[in-house]
Amino acid sequence: EDKVVQSPLSLVVHEGDTVTLNCSYEVTNFRSLLWYKQEKKAPTFLFMLTSSGIEKKSGRLSSILDKKELFSILNITATQTGDSAIYLCAIRTGTYKYIFGTGTRLKVLA
Amino acid sequence: EPEVTQTPSHQVTQMGQEVILRCVPISNHLYFYWYRQILGQKVEFLVSFYNNEISEKSEIFDDQFSVERPDGSNFTLKIRSTKLEDSAMYFCASEQGFMTEAFFGQGTRLTVV
Repeated sequence: EDKVVQSPLSLVVHEGDTVTLNCSYEVTNFRSLLWYKQEKKAPTFLFMLTSSGIEKKSGRLSSILDKKELFSILNITATQTGDSAIYLCAIRTGTYKYIFGTGTRLKVLA
Repeated sequence: EPEVTQTPSHQVTQMGQEVILRCVPISNHLYFYWYRQILGQKVEFLVSFYNNEISEKSEIFDDQFSVERPDGSNFTLKIRSTKLEDSAMYFCASEQGFMTEAFFGQGTRLTVV
């Protein structure tokens, strides 16, 4: 059975801290890995990763994929209260399907 | 910025009633999805739709569920006879092309009483 596991389940940090969120997976047909941020309702897209070792960056956020060890990390530097959200990892398996992890709930305190 | 639009934002229905959840995907997108998220649980895949037919569906998507693209813009999810356990947030998503990222709507919170 395909599986996507995120850790930690929740995290509380102070503004300015750096956090690393983890996503490991076991799937039969890996196509890509995506990170989403879910604040109140809709997941909003952050990154899509298909190749190992290539870091994707957007401002204070960055992510990298290791297809040999079957995991990805999402880094957030200099955290702000606006980063408080649930961060979701999703794997595209096959052609038309994403499998989501349970998410990491991040709370950034002022 | 183009976005996926879902209506209604919240629907309360009696057990056994039919509901139709509506979505307007981003206009040049070709792949459409329905996902659901039961409160406190993970986002679960229901069904994908491409070229006017279902591409893939999960075990959750049984005979009580159906999808339609009745015209060039709307994409609907129908639940024929709702059960209490159908209570969840239902997300519509669309993608421009194969292996591009999916954009999600704001969701419809369905409450079955």
